[in-house]
Amino acid sequence: GAGVSQSPSNKVTEKGKDVELRCDPISGHTALYWYRQSLGQGLEFLIYFQGNSAPDKSGLPSDRFSAERTGGSVSTLTIQRTQQEDSAVYLCASSLVVRGRAREQYFGPGTRLTVT
Amino acid sequence: GDSVTQMEGPVTLSEEAFLTINCTYTATGYPSLFWYVQYPGEGLQLLLKATKADDKGSNKGFEATYRKETTSFHLEKGSVQVSDSAVYFCALKRASGSRLTFGEGTQLTVNP
Repeated sequence: GAGVSQSPSNKVTEKGKDVELRCDPISGHTALYWYRQSLGQGLEFLIYFQGNSAPDKSGLPSDRFSAERTGGSVSTLTIQRTQQEDSAVYLCASSLVVRGRAREQYFGPGTRLTVT
Repeated sequence: GDSVTQMEGPVTLSEEAFLTINCTYTATGYPSLFWYVQYPGEGLQLLLKATKADDKGSNKGFEATYRKETTSFHLEKGSVQVSDSAVYFCALKRASGSRLTFGEGTQLTVNP
C-alpha cells in the first residue's frame, strides 16, 4: 500500500524566504509527526497531531515554524524567514492510534531543505 | 528529560563479522525501545522494537534485548552483510507519550 509521501523531495531557498513542506500520511493514520534531521542535532521532534486534539508543538524551535493539518489528513510545515540553520532534512511520520496509544511510526522519505 | 546515547561511529566491519552497536537510555517509567535503520538514499525504517523489560526484538538477523537494570538496548547481529551498510538509530517512546527520542545514529559500513 501507499506509504507516507512528502513533497518536495528537495528545496533550495534563499535566506529570508518562506517555505512550505507537505506531508501525506498513510490513509487511516490519525497521528502525524514532524521531525528534523540535521548535522550536529541528530533527529529532533518538532510537532505531533492526533485527531482533533490540540497539537503538541513543544518541539518547534522558534515561532518562525508552524504546522497545520487539514481535514485530519495532509499536513503542511511552514518555515517563515528561513535561516541557514534551518537547513536539514524534514521528516514526516504517521501512525495508527489504538485505544488511545500511538502505534508504530512510519516515516516518509523526507524533504531536504537547503537555505543559501 | 528523556535521552538516548549511542556508541559513536562510524563503524567499519568486514562481511560476516559480528556487530554490536551500544545504546543506553534515560527516561522515566517504562519506555518502549526501538532500532530504526536508514539505508542510503532511503527513509527511516523500523528494524525492531521491544516494549517491556527482558523483551527481545528481532528482525533480519538483528537482535536487541531490553535491559532495564542497565537501561540498555544494544543492537547485535552475528554475521553482517554488505547490504547492512546503513545508519542505525536507537530510539525510545514513553508509554504515555507519542514522540520518539532518537540517539545520534551510528553509521555502519560493511566491506566485502
